[in-house]
Amino acid sequence: EDQVTQSPEALRLQEGESSSLNCSYTVSGLRGLFWYRQDPGKGPEFLFTLYSAGEEKEKERLKATLTKKESFLHITAPKPEDSATYLCAVQSASKIIFGSGTRLSIRP
Amino acid sequence: DAGVTQSPTHLIKTRGQQVTLRCSPKSGHDTVSWYQQALGQGPQFIFQYYEEEERQRGNFPDRFSGHQFPNYSSELNVNALLLGDSALYLCASSISDSGAEKAFFGQGTRLTVV
Repeated sequence: EDQVTQSPEALRLQEGESSSLNCSYTVSGLRGLFWYRQDPGKGPEFLFTLYSAGEEKEKERLKATLTKKESFLHITAPKPEDSATYLCAVQSASKIIFGSGTRLSIRP
Repeated sequence: DAGVTQSPTHLIKTRGQQVTLRCSPKSGHDTVSWYQQALGQGPQFIFQYYEEEERQRGNFPDRFSGHQFPNYSSELNVNALLLGDSALYLCASSISDSGAEKAFFGQGTRLTVV
């Protein structure tokens, strides 16, 4: 069965304290892995797509990496405005399966 | 360029009633997917529409139905509402047959069933 598991469920960091979020997946025929940011009461905002193991993408303080079984979202020197829920999703055929997300909180 | 728009933004319905939610996709997109997101959870796939046909469906009962119009806009209908149907309903649009599709989401409709 296709499955996506994100950890930790919640993460509190001090401003400037770097860390990583994990997304483990089991899927038959991975077509792509996606990272989204979601602010409270809003729809997810697209961040990255990764297609194959070894691929990396960067955007400002965020870097996403992909292996055959998991993906990491690394956040470097985060700021309070990076506080949000980060969702990982995988595409199997035409269906996208989401994890439950990691709630990230950055304290000033 | 307007992104994905959903209406209404908030809705309160009584148990047993029926509801219709609406979605206009991003310009140039022909595929619309609907998701249900309970509080503290990730979005759960309901179904996807392409060329006015339901192409894929998640594990949701037949009370959940949809429609896609020739202009690619879409509706989600839920019959016989239950308290457990209270959630944020998200619409996502994408371009079909583009490999790993990158979905753009609307702001969602917050449905509360009382």
